[in-house]
Amino acid sequence: EPEVTQTPSHQVTQMGQEVILRCVPISNHLYFYWYRQILGQKVEFLVSFYNNEISEKSEIFDDQFSVERPDGSNFTLKIRSTKLEDSAMYFCASSAGTGVPYNEQFFGPGTRLTVL
Amino acid sequence: RKEVEQDPGPFNVPEGATVAFNCTYSNSASQSFFWYRQDCRKEPKLLMSVYSSGNEDGRFTAQLNRASQYISLLIRDSKLSDSATYLCVVNMYSGGGADGLTFGKGTHLIIQP
Repeated sequence: EPEVTQTPSHQVTQMGQEVILRCVPISNHLYFYWYRQILGQKVEFLVSFYNNEISEKSEIFDDQFSVERPDGSNFTLKIRSTKLEDSAMYFCASSAGTGVPYNEQFFGPGTRLTVL
Repeated sequence: RKEVEQDPGPFNVPEGATVAFNCTYSNSASQSFFWYRQDCRKEPKLLMSVYSSGNEDGRFTAQLNRASQYISLLIRDSKLSDSATYLCVVNMYSGGGADGLTFGKGTHLIIQP
């Protein structure tokens, strides 16, 4: 069964450093998303991406964050200057965008980001 | 964004019992509804979409009440492997493909042997 993959599984970084989290969405899916989950809290939407541009973003997704689809398979989330409060699990998700149901989102296993 | 509310539990239920969860959502314009399950420190896994007419998948039945803005999940003949956190999830906007999902905090279910 096709699945979303993410690398690395765990990233440790120093405050102020840049990190890039990588995702490979399901191959025929058209919509891509990033979410985060701070330990013990609910999953929160960050951004959605379609047709090589951001479709929607939450208030969490400020200028420190950016997303990119550098090639035909990868989808990345960059955090430019990490803060302690960026420590969380970051999940990538994708959805087909066509067919029925078109908007079911499937999640990758996540990258645990620890900012020291 | 408005909220999705769930009873956090935990619900402690003996194996074989039937258990039901509800959640409420605040935006009456919401279009799409889902139940996900999440095991400890793992990703949310889609359990089922929830349709207006209600839908069933094996031991799981989901219902949507648009007038009261709540969604329910019923698990029959519960198994030990059903122990997890169940997330009520709503697409608050148009239901289009690019919309982010709004998650509840989840209801923690523990099935006891």
